[in-house]
Amino acid sequence: GQNIDQPTEMTATEGAIVQINCTYQTSGFNGLFWYQQHAGEAPTFLSYNVLDGLEEKGRFSSFLSRSKGYSYLLLKELQMKDSASYLCAVLGSNYQLIWGAGTKLIIKP
Amino acid sequence: NAGVTQTPKFRVLKTGQSMTLLCAQDMNHEYMYWYRQDPGMGLRLIHYSVGEGTTAKGEVPDGYNVSRLKKQNFLLGLESAAPSQTSVYFCASSSGQGEVQPQHFGDGTRLSIL
Repeated sequence: GQNIDQPTEMTATEGAIVQINCTYQTSGFNGLFWYQQHAGEAPTFLSYNVLDGLEEKGRFSSFLSRSKGYSYLLLKELQMKDSASYLCAVLGSNYQLIWGAGTKLIIKP
Repeated sequence: NAGVTQTPKFRVLKTGQSMTLLCAQDMNHEYMYWYRQDPGMGLRLIHYSVGEGTTAKGEVPDGYNVSRLKKQNFLLGLESAAPSQTSVYFCASSSGQGEVQPQHFGDGTRLSIL
């Protein structure tokens, strides 16, 4: 079967760094997406990785290892507005997204 | 720039009633999707469309129908609502598949079936 695993909830302190992990087992791989979703709002696109390595975009970075079926989202200099759920999604062999259940990130002052 | 617009935002139905959820996008995207989001679960694809006049089943299509008569609109219908269809429904669109593009989401429709 196809499976994407993320921690359910994480807590971090304002100004700190947090790493949100995602492991996947899918039939086919055409890339991995990270989305941010604030409570009661729509998911919004953060990053896309298709090759191994680190992609940096401001305070956010995303890493992919295809051989390990593993990705992480790294958030630096955390701000209160970063409190949200972070969704990992894999684009499978049929070009449909398979979504993880999301990681709820709580930022404390 | 409106992006993806969903109507209504909230709705309460009784079991057995029917309704249609509307999704409109102004980005000239070819691909459109309907998902449902339930607590503790990832987004699940209900139906999708790769262009005007085409539709296809996703992971959880039972109990739903869709139509894409115009490129900018994608309608999701519930013929006979059931309590198991209580969920948050998201519509999304993307510009293509061959060159992978992110999906853009509407604000969601919160649907309760009593």
